[in-house]
Amino acid sequence: DGGITQSPKYLFRKEGQNVTLSCEQNLNHDAMYWYRQDPGQGLRLIYYSQIVNDFQKGDIAEGYSVSREKKESFPLTVTSAQKNPTAFYLCASSIGAGAKAFFGQGTRLTVV
Amino acid sequence: GIQVEQSPPDLILQEGANSTLRCNFSDSVNNLQWFHQNPWGQLINLFYIPSGTKQNGRLSATTVATERYSLLYISSSQTTDSGVYFCAVGPNDYKLSFGAGTTVTVRA
Repeated sequence: DGGITQSPKYLFRKEGQNVTLSCEQNLNHDAMYWYRQDPGQGLRLIYYSQIVNDFQKGDIAEGYSVSREKKESFPLTVTSAQKNPTAFYLCASSIGAGAKAFFGQGTRLTVV
Repeated sequence: GIQVEQSPPDLILQEGANSTLRCNFSDSVNNLQWFHQNPWGQLINLFYIPSGTKQNGRLSATTVATERYSLLYISSSQTTDSGVYFCAVGPNDYKLSFGAGTTVTVRA
């Protein structure tokens, strides 16, 4: 089945630790995105990538880092510099700019 | 960025009822999408509709780009329609701005 796979579904992290969230897609899409969702709110863009080996900051990139070494994969690292990392993280992809977006099932990160 | 306002914030429906959700946006857009977030958190793309009208089963959507709003219609609602509906808009690039969503609860 074509789609976007995020792992893990739930993640617990101690304060001060970095953690990496996985996102893999087999839709052959060029563009991939990371969004953050806080309770009762809409989604906010963290980073996006138009093509392999390229990525751009979104609206809330501070405390996060990404890489795009393969077309299928766009991992997100939540660093210790992120002041309030507890949130629901969603990965998405699209064929290109301004195109229909498809989402993964999300990773719920909790800092303990 | 573009401001997106969705109304109403909450909607409670009896099964079988019809409803209309509204999305207003602050600037011209070339990209408008409606999503449904299910209780497990996944977002499902319902419509890609920067202008015009589309229908998909019991759901339909209309975007009037010149007046900067879009409407999502749910007819003959079912309990499986419960969840949060998001409108997202943007220019013809990679950035989408999301509204805060409308939480729909359909009661049997």
